[in-house]
Amino acid sequence: GAVVSQHPSWVICKSGTSVKIECRSLDFQATTMFWYRQFPKQSLMLMATSNEGSKATYEQGVEKDKFLINHASLTLSTLTVTSAHPEDSSFYICSVGGLWETQYFGPGTRLLVL
Amino acid sequence: DAKTTQPPSMDCAEGRAANLPCNHSTISGNEYVYWYRQIHSQGPQYIIHGLKNNETNEMASLIITEDRKSSTLILPHATLRDTAVYYCIVRVRDGQNFVFGPGTRLSVLP
Repeated sequence: GAVVSQHPSWVICKSGTSVKIECRSLDFQATTMFWYRQFPKQSLMLMATSNEGSKATYEQGVEKDKFLINHASLTLSTLTVTSAHPEDSSFYICSVGGLWETQYFGPGTRLLVL
Repeated sequence: DAKTTQPPSMDCAEGRAANLPCNHSTISGNEYVYWYRQIHSQGPQYIIHGLKNNETNEMASLIITEDRKSSTLILPHATLRDTAVYYCIVRVRDGQNFVFGPGTRLSVLP
């Protein structure tokens, strides 16, 4: 299946700063990538769908101005958490569509906002 | 909302088969059954998927009932490394994102 990487794997930042998370599809050209968020002891929740060369599609309740998504190439999508606050602390996971419409997930990025 | 129902937790002895059930009574004719698992602090890992026939790969077997209203994921010889949360998801093949329910937390015990 597709190999997906994320960087960084974990990040700690101060409240009010911005954090960029990268998602790379290492062996698959992805026109679409997905960003999920997972709070402790909860399941994954889709935040947005990242489309190469066009604007991302956000799920209801997800602030597009706070979670900026850029999908500049077929192998890279970035999620920027702007003006992060402690409530944004979470596990952020991206995924890439693969064969037979499966999805392959990255290892995740754990964000802690102090 | 998730279209599947799974038990919240299960235990399995190491070396024994782990049978994880999933109910999807409202599944549509064009929806596939996918199984993923998530080991603690990692991204979900694809296991297997199927439409109506039973499927087997190097990781697991998927048994789908004839009416397709339920399925069972079978890990033939569970190891401690199989301890994870297992998600059963139904989705059309050319659908977009996956909708994750709470899954089943499988604990493989020594």
